[in-house]
Amino acid sequence: NAGVTQTPKFQVLKTGQSMTLQCAQDMNHNSMYWYRQDPGMGLRLIYYSASEGTTDKGEVPNGYNVSRLNKREFSLRLESAAPSQTSVYFCASSGLGTGRETQYFGPGTRLLVL
Amino acid sequence: ELKVEQNPLFLSMQEGKNYTIYCNYSTTSDRLYWYRQDPGKSLESLFVLLSNGAVKQEGRLMASLDTKARLSTLHITAAVHDLSATYFCAVDRGGNTPLVFGKGTRLSVIA
Repeated sequence: NAGVTQTPKFQVLKTGQSMTLQCAQDMNHNSMYWYRQDPGMGLRLIYYSASEGTTDKGEVPNGYNVSRLNKREFSLRLESAAPSQTSVYFCASSGLGTGRETQYFGPGTRLLVL
Repeated sequence: ELKVEQNPLFLSMQEGKNYTIYCNYSTTSDRLYWYRQDPGKSLESLFVLLSNGAVKQEGRLMASLDTKARLSTLHITAAVHDLSATYFCAVDRGGNTPLVFGKGTRLSVIA
């Protein structure tokens, strides 16, 4: 059982480049989330999807877009990367509905923007 | 707006000692979650507390929830080095909204 998977694990970008972070879960969960984690800042929610076909902004959505491709997959896109987007990005999912049970986290993507 | 505060944010403790991490939150909730994150790793679910007075224990860790005081505690008994990690609490706002996480407590257990 793979749980939540993320690709890539590491990425280096130059300022202005674009990229898409991929996330997939095999637990048949309804809700999926994207967080960023910076030193001393804890976890900050970027976007979430309460169910297939819906997405909502979180605390720090600027500079990002998301797509809930199907029930399994939720991608995060940086259209024009900036050094301030250097961070560790975590995808998570939960089953019964947003916030109704514990979230399961992927292994993370470490992104460096030069 | 729900705010979740953990304290302390950093904790250095000796092996064999006991200590408590506190998680306070600002609005009514009856569901609270604790996670552990090892350095360079992802978050792993530790405890799910679903009602007032709930207590969960695993090994040297025990978590409790007091919804009237809007407080959860994570108690560490006779700390060992393997418990060194960052611990996060997260609170359910209710409705169809995501969990709100505290900033985490970085625990370092030293000999």
